[in-house]
Amino acid sequence: DVQLVESGGGLVQPGGSLRLSCAASGFTSGLPFNRYWMIWVRQAPGKGLEWVANIKADGSEKNYVDSVKGRFTISRDNAQKSSYLQMNSLRVEDTAVYYCARDGGFYIDSWGQGTLVSVSS
Amino acid sequence: DIQMTQSPSSVSASVGDRVTLTCRASQPIASWLAWYQQKPGEAPKLLIYVASHLQNGVPSRFSGSGSGTEFTLTISGLQPEDFATYYCQQGNSFPWTFGQGTKVEIK
Repeated sequence: DVQLVESGGGLVQPGGSLRLSCAASGFTSGLPFNRYWMIWVRQAPGKGLEWVANIKADGSEKNYVDSVKGRFTISRDNAQKSSYLQMNSLRVEDTAVYYCARDGGFYIDSWGQGTLVSVSS
Repeated sequence: DIQMTQSPSSVSASVGDRVTLTCRASQPIASWLAWYQQKPGEAPKLLIYVASHLQNGVPSRFSGSGSGTEFTLTISGLQPEDFATYYCQQGNSFPWTFGQGTKVEIK
């Protein structure tokens, strides 16, 4: 089974930075990690889901939701089977559980368990 | 951005009921629509992709239909484990967007 394990969440002050990591494993029954787009999705406390960013399999294309453009950077290391989300200039409204996810082709077919990011003074 | 609107926001139902949830897109998205189930404290789980395709391992009481701008998720014979929040998501264009969710509650 596919496993996506996030790490790096925590409490940070407004204006601060965090780097989230996602370690992937179990890509055994289909294509390898380096053939999948990877995604980050967030969910504010008690709210719905918000797609944040994605990155092409080879890292050559990246897309972001408007609210994080210029502040967040998605990246990946295919040799390490990992995806990352660098978050700078954090705001209170960025407080959420951040999920790493795999793009199954226009939808998300695997999700991590999530890591909580709290932005507060 | 494409806006996804789900209705109702919540529904109360009993075990064994047939429940239909609706998702509308602000512009046509062909069949690029997925449905997810989320239980409290858990990550979402894929149920339906490309509007009507059942994900492996998902019970056949779940079904999806629709294309263009209007889509439905039907649960035929609600089970205790189905009480959860359901989200639709469009994959037609970036940024992918989700509906606000429909909470299925026990009556």
